[in-house]
Amino acid sequence: GQNIDQPTEMTATEGAIVQINCTYQTSGFNGLFWYQQHAGEAPTFLSYNVLDGLEEKGRFSSFLSRSKGYSYLLLKELQMKDSASYLCAVLDSNYQLIWGAGTKLIIKP
Amino acid sequence: TAGITQAPTSQILAAGRSMTLRCTQDMRHNAMYWYRQDLGLGLRLIHYSNTAGTTGKGEVPDGYSVSRANTDDFPLTLASAVPSQTSVYFCASSDSGSNHNEQFFGPGTRLTVL
Repeated sequence: GQNIDQPTEMTATEGAIVQINCTYQTSGFNGLFWYQQHAGEAPTFLSYNVLDGLEEKGRFSSFLSRSKGYSYLLLKELQMKDSASYLCAVLDSNYQLIWGAGTKLIIKP
Repeated sequence: TAGITQAPTSQILAAGRSMTLRCTQDMRHNAMYWYRQDLGLGLRLIHYSNTAGTTGKGEVPDGYSVSRANTDDFPLTLASAVPSQTSVYFCASSDSGSNHNEQFFGPGTRLTVL
């Protein structure tokens, strides 16, 4: 079966750095997405990786290793507004998105 | 630009009743999707449509039906609601011709079936 694993919840301090990991086992791979979802709102796109390596976009970076079935989202200079759930999703061989359950990130002052 | 809209925002429905959740996008995206999101679970795909006139079943299609008469609209119908269909429903769309098929989400419909 297809499976995406990410931690249920993480806590970090304002101004610090946090890394949210995602491992996946899917039928085929056509890219990996990270989305941010604030409580009561819709998911919004953060990043997309299809090749191995690091993609940097401002305070957020995303890393992919296809051979290890592994990705992480790195958030730097954490702000209170970064408190949200972060969803990892893989585009499988049928070009359907398979979603992880999400990681709830709590930022403390 | 409205993007993608859903209606209603929330609804309480008696078990056994039918209901249609509406979804409209103005981005001319060819692909549209319906997901449900339940606490502790990832987004689960109910139905999808790769282009107007075609639909397909996702991971959890039972009890739901969809239609795609045109590019913009993708309604989801519950023929006879059951309490297990209590959930938050998200509609999404994407341009499958883009380089990474990013999905854009509507604001969601919170449905409670009693």
